[in-house]
Amino acid sequence: GESVGLHLPTLSVQEGDNSIINCAYSNSASDYFIWYKQESGKGPQFIIDIRSNMDKRQGQRVTVLLNKTVKHLSLQIAATQPGDSAVYFCAENSKAAGNKLTFGGGTRVLVKP
Amino acid sequence: DADVTQTPRNRITKTGKRIMLECSQTKGHDRMYWYRQDPGLGLRLIYYSFDVKDINKGEISDGYSVSRQAQAKFSLSLESAIPNQTALYFCATSDTGEWSDEQFFGPGTRLTVL
Repeated sequence: GESVGLHLPTLSVQEGDNSIINCAYSNSASDYFIWYKQESGKGPQFIIDIRSNMDKRQGQRVTVLLNKTVKHLSLQIAATQPGDSAVYFCAENSKAAGNKLTFGGGTRVLVKP
Repeated sequence: DADVTQTPRNRITKTGKRIMLECSQTKGHDRMYWYRQDPGLGLRLIYYSFDVKDINKGEISDGYSVSRQAQAKFSLSLESAIPNQTALYFCATSDTGEWSDEQFFGPGTRLTVL
């Protein structure tokens, strides 16, 4: 079936550096994408989203890039902070598939002081 | 107060027992979801409901059932728990507008089946 996956299961980054988390998706009909952050012991928390008619969207210290040609999604975190240490999930939605989110396996980001 | 709450937060039970996990929300959303999360894996959809009279199976519904008692309440049952149902369970809600696919998650229930 269609799925969303991630290239790197663990990313170690120095505090203050920028982080890039990648995600490949296989459903070309996906029309909405979300990045979630999950801290230990908590439920996933929304970070940023993007529609398929966009290729870039910026939030506070985060940017999501969408490349539909190669079906690739990335999350960039600027000036990574210790509080950014968490597992990050990408998720895709296809209204044609019943408007349900499909989640990738997650990438753990470890911020080193 | 949390918008999406789950009870219990932790539960240890034995094989063959019936278990119910409850979810309540104060966001006024029509759509509710149940997911399970296994170590190192993403979330997999068990069941979802788009309104009180609507119940749909997700990708891993076998061994589970749900009840949508009201707009604000969505419970998940394991009729006869088995060890491979040991996991972290999350409830989520979302709105029904066009740009409404963001889901809001509860804090999770950690279930252990011995």
